[in-house]
Amino acid sequence: EPEVTQTPSHQVTQMGQEVILRCVPISNHLYFYWYRQILGQKVEFLVSFYNNEISEKSEIFDDQFSVERPDGSNFTLKIRSTKLEDSAMYFCASRNDRGQAFFGQGTRLTVV
Amino acid sequence: DQQVKQNSPSLSVQEGRISILNCDYTNSMFDYFLWYKKYPAEGPTFLISISSIKDKNEDGRFTVFLNKSAKHLSLHIVPSQPGDSAVYFCAAAPGSGGYQKVTFGIGTKLQVIP
Repeated sequence: EPEVTQTPSHQVTQMGQEVILRCVPISNHLYFYWYRQILGQKVEFLVSFYNNEISEKSEIFDDQFSVERPDGSNFTLKIRSTKLEDSAMYFCASRNDRGQAFFGQGTRLTVV
Repeated sequence: DQQVKQNSPSLSVQEGRISILNCDYTNSMFDYFLWYKKYPAEGPTFLISISSIKDKNEDGRFTVFLNKSAKHLSLHIVPSQPGDSAVYFCAAAPGSGGYQKVTFGIGTKLQVIP
């Protein structure tokens, strides 16, 4: 069964450093998302991506964040200068034409 | 601004009985609703969805009911099994189109007691 894969599973970084979280969506899906979940809080929308451009982004997704689909398979989230409050589980998702979104296992980002 | 509300943070149910998880929404633009299950340290797993043109959708042990006038939906799990113990997220979108943002509730932790 096809699935969304994310790497790495856990990333520890120093405050102020850049991180890139990687995702491989399901191959025939066209809509991609990043969500995050801070420990003990709800799953929050960050950004949606379609046709090689951002469709929608939340207030969280400020200038420090960017997304890219550098080739036909990878979908990346970059945080330019990480802050302590960026520590969270980051989930990538891709969505089919029936509206069902499928999530990856997540990347746990710890900023120290 | 909680557009999708799950007012019960946790629920305990005996194995074999029915689990009922509730969800309310405020945004009248929502017309597509999804339920996800999440185990610790894993991503949310899609369970079942319903479009606003329906009031019920069933898939095996899982049934979702939608009451549009009350802006309320519920997930029924019958019979409940210990493996169902997880956090359940209600989610909503203004359409089933793939580009639509999916908004999540805060989740309800279900514990099924053997």
